Amino acid sequence: NAGVTQTPKFQVLKTGQSMTLQCAQDMNHEYMSWYRQDPGMGLRLIHYSVGAGITDQGEVPNGYNVSRSTTEDFPLRLLSAAPSQTSVYFCASSSTDRMGTDTQYFGPGTRLTVL
Amino acid sequence: DQQVKQNSPSLSVQEGRISILNCDYTNSMFDYFLWYKKYPAEGPTFLISISSIKDKNEDGRFTVFLNKSAKHLSLHIVPSQPGDSAVYFCAASERYGGATNKLIFGTGTLLAVQP
Repeated sequence: NAGVTQTPKFQVLKTGQSMTLQCAQDMNHEYMSWYRQDPGMGLRLIHYSVGAGITDQGEVPNGYNVSRSTTEDFPLRLLSAAPSQTSVYFCASSSTDRMGTDTQYFGPGTRLTVL
Repeated sequence: DQQVKQNSPSLSVQEGRISILNCDYTNSMFDYFLWYKKYPAEGPTFLISISSIKDKNEDGRFTVFLNKSAKHLSLHIVPSQPGDSAVYFCAASERYGGATNKLIFGTGTLLAVQP
């Protein structure tokens, strides 16, 4: 049971380049989400998904696309990278356990630098 | 507009003493609150949670208090240990009344426990 995995761990892009941040979970969780962490800003929700085929926007969705074709995978796409997207990106997944607590499990993060 | 606020960026306490981390929120629709702990270069990990129907929840050395009228919650760690040194994030959601699992995070408090 690997939990939530993210690849790559580090990435440097040039302005205008595109890339996909990968996220996978093996806990059969329905809910998955992407956050970015910036100094002094905490974690901000980018996009989330409540199940395969269903996605929605979070607080800061501009410049990012997502899709959820399977329960396990939730990739985050940057279509045209900008320096403002330099950040640490975290993927998380969760399910409601029988006690009714929604605990989100986070991946180790991807540190992205856009030059 | 920051809906979840952690006004203390950092806190330093002596080993064995009590650590008190504070969090304020503005959205009266929030009905579920969580604390996450984050070590450098790792993803956040769930620590403890509380629903709005309670005013206290305890788990070992960790206790969360909720004051709904003041829109304030606090995390007490007693006794504090050097291994507790980390960034602590407060988070809130409209779990029962809105989109389940969608978390809004505070900016975090860096706790340093001195031996």
